[in-house]
Amino acid sequence: QVHLVQSGAEVKKPGASVKVSCKASGYTLIDYDMHWVRQAPGQGLEWMGCIKHNSGGTKYAQKFQGSVTMTRDTSISTAYMELSSLRSDDTAVYYCAREDTVRTFDYWGQGTLVTVSS
Amino acid sequence: SYELTQPPSVSVSPGQTASITCSGNKLGDKYANWYQQRPGQSPVLVIYQDIKRPSGIPERFSGSNSGNTATLTISGTQAMDEADYYCQAWDSNTAVFGTGTKVTVL
Repeated sequence: QVHLVQSGAEVKKPGASVKVSCKASGYTLIDYDMHWVRQAPGQGLEWMGCIKHNSGGTKYAQKFQGSVTMTRDTSISTAYMELSSLRSDDTAVYYCAREDTVRTFDYWGQGTLVTVSS
Repeated sequence: SYELTQPPSVSVSPGQTASITCSGNKLGDKYANWYQQRPGQSPVLVIYQDIKRPSGIPERFSGSNSGNTATLTISGTQAMDEADYYCQAWDSNTAVFGTGTKVTVL
């Protein structure tokens, strides 16, 4: 059974960086693209980007170019999303989500709340 | 950039039909997916490739997509269907989510 388990909540100061992890089980990490989606409080879903399953290459939403880095460690089946130069409007729940073969997000992590506050 | 627009809210009585629209330029030329998100939970896929239901999703959920509008229909709506719903499509290998619709079962 597929599971995506994310790291715990974080509180960061403006200007800092945060790194969220997403541990995959029940399948092989490199067989599927992994995406990151965020949701600000009371707001909708916002796609941030993904790490491609075969090459490990990345594609980021234009808004996050230069501030987000997505990586993975295949030895421990874990994907990471690092967001730098945090601002208060980066306060959100961050989700990892697996993209399946028909281009849907079939499994999601439980979400990680990142709070940016001075 | 590509945008998908949904009505902010839809109200429906138990047992009745709720329809949620998702509008985007030539959306009918793309596949539309729909996600349900209950409060405090992660999204769940309820319709994919316009009309298909994943295993475990009740038959009362159906979808269509033509022209500039995709529609999610919930027939015989139940209290448990009260949630936020998001459409999603791909544009130039970028995932785009709709603005979201809150479905209230009165």
